[in-house]
Amino acid sequence: DADVTQTPRNRITKTGKRIMLECSQTKGHDRMYWYRQDPGLGLQLIYYSFDVKDINKGEISDGYSVSRQAQAKFSLSLESAIPNQTALYFCATSDLDRFVFGQGTRLTVV
Amino acid sequence: GENVEQHPSTLSVQEGDSAVIKCTYSDSASNYFPWYKQELGKGPQLIIDIRSNVGEKKDQRIAVTLNKTAKHFSLHITETQPEDSAVYFCAASRQGGTSYGKLTFGQGTILTVHP
Repeated sequence: DADVTQTPRNRITKTGKRIMLECSQTKGHDRMYWYRQDPGLGLQLIYYSFDVKDINKGEISDGYSVSRQAQAKFSLSLESAIPNQTALYFCATSDLDRFVFGQGTRLTVV
Repeated sequence: GENVEQHPSTLSVQEGDSAVIKCTYSDSASNYFPWYKQELGKGPQLIIDIRSNVGEKKDQRIAVTLNKTAKHFSLHITETQPEDSAVYFCAASRQGGTSYGKLTFGQGTILTVHP
């Protein structure tokens, strides 16, 4: 089993719909992250959580929300999806510094 | 906040040649610099990292150098092979003490190794 599992792997949704991306990890790390990847822009941090009771906004949090359900689970929600949220989304976990990424979720908003 | 610039955006080499990717960072307090390789359809994977108390680190065909004064670091791949073809990302963060561990990424370099 993968250390970090993201579901779904691919999703097409309509503008205005609410969608949730889920992430679970088996590394036992406290820290979890959601990143967004767009061509030519690298990975941009959306939200991060250093433990179950800690949630922090990243660089591009507008239009997104997160929930840390347990140490191993961190979900990302788009409350009302818009086309410019079409991107590749990555969940990651880390100990102090070494990150382990999931395989990504390709989200298309039409 | 931290800003990381990465060059070039694309790099094409012949098998057996060397490849060099360069990154600059803005926050002098950053002290951890990892490099990630992303293959098609996969998430980024850590290939090598360096901390600010070290100037150079090698792992087989891969090396990373760090110049703290100039605030830049580079990835060197020698004897490139077709399986080295991927997108490479540099990143920087501040680690230790009460500092948080967010990674700031460069824009990525698409490396193509031609057989």
